[in-house]
Amino acid sequence: DTVLTQSPALAVSPGERVSISCRASEGVNSYMHWYQQKPGQQPKLLIYKASNLASGVPARFSGSGSGTDFTLTIDPVEADDTATYFCQQSWNDWTFGGGTKLELK
Amino acid sequence: EVQLVESGGGLVQPGRSLKLSCAASGFTFSNYYMAWVRQAPKKGLEWVATISTSGSRTYYPDSVKGRFTISRDNAKSSLYLQMNSLKSEDTATYYCARLNYGSYGYWGQGVMVTVSS
Repeated sequence: DTVLTQSPALAVSPGERVSISCRASEGVNSYMHWYQQKPGQQPKLLIYKASNLASGVPARFSGSGSGTDFTLTIDPVEADDTATYFCQQSWNDWTFGGGTKLELK
Repeated sequence: EVQLVESGGGLVQPGRSLKLSCAASGFTFSNYYMAWVRQAPKKGLEWVATISTSGSRTYYPDSVKGRFTISRDNAKSSLYLQMNSLKSEDTATYYCARLNYGSYGYWGQGVMVTVSS
């Protein structure tokens, strides 16, 4: 199984730039995707295939990386971005990272 | 507008069975791979099952292989998950999701399954 590792939590101030990382235990090409989940809601796709912005997602969100190391960047962060962010790979079946909880200071 | 609506959840005893359904609308259902993804209370996301457009190919992680069966009825734009030999660790919210480029572009609201005696 391809294991995806994310930092558990981050805290940033509104207006700052934040980078959320995801490391895969083996290469996944560019087949890494990012989701935002707020409490009580279903996940929402933000970025697909490493760097492609999903429909309707603000351009403040961007993705980068290939192989085993990937990053979701939010710039600038807004109060509404408080959520948990998950990475997911689809190169070797489908697996998710454990999630990074983003809190605003 | 794409809509995915799950049903069939509830409380079930360990070892028993339950079948989830997902009604899809707003897109050509038969053109997309579909999947089930679950989330245990206060936990992360876990892929449960995937099915090809025709239903001829199905994929499962080891945690549910042999116990869960995904199926679809393209004429009814519906997705199903038959869950047998349920365990307490299967307790979760189950989401129906549409796949595109390997990502889950659309999700249902989810349905809760509780396995407990």
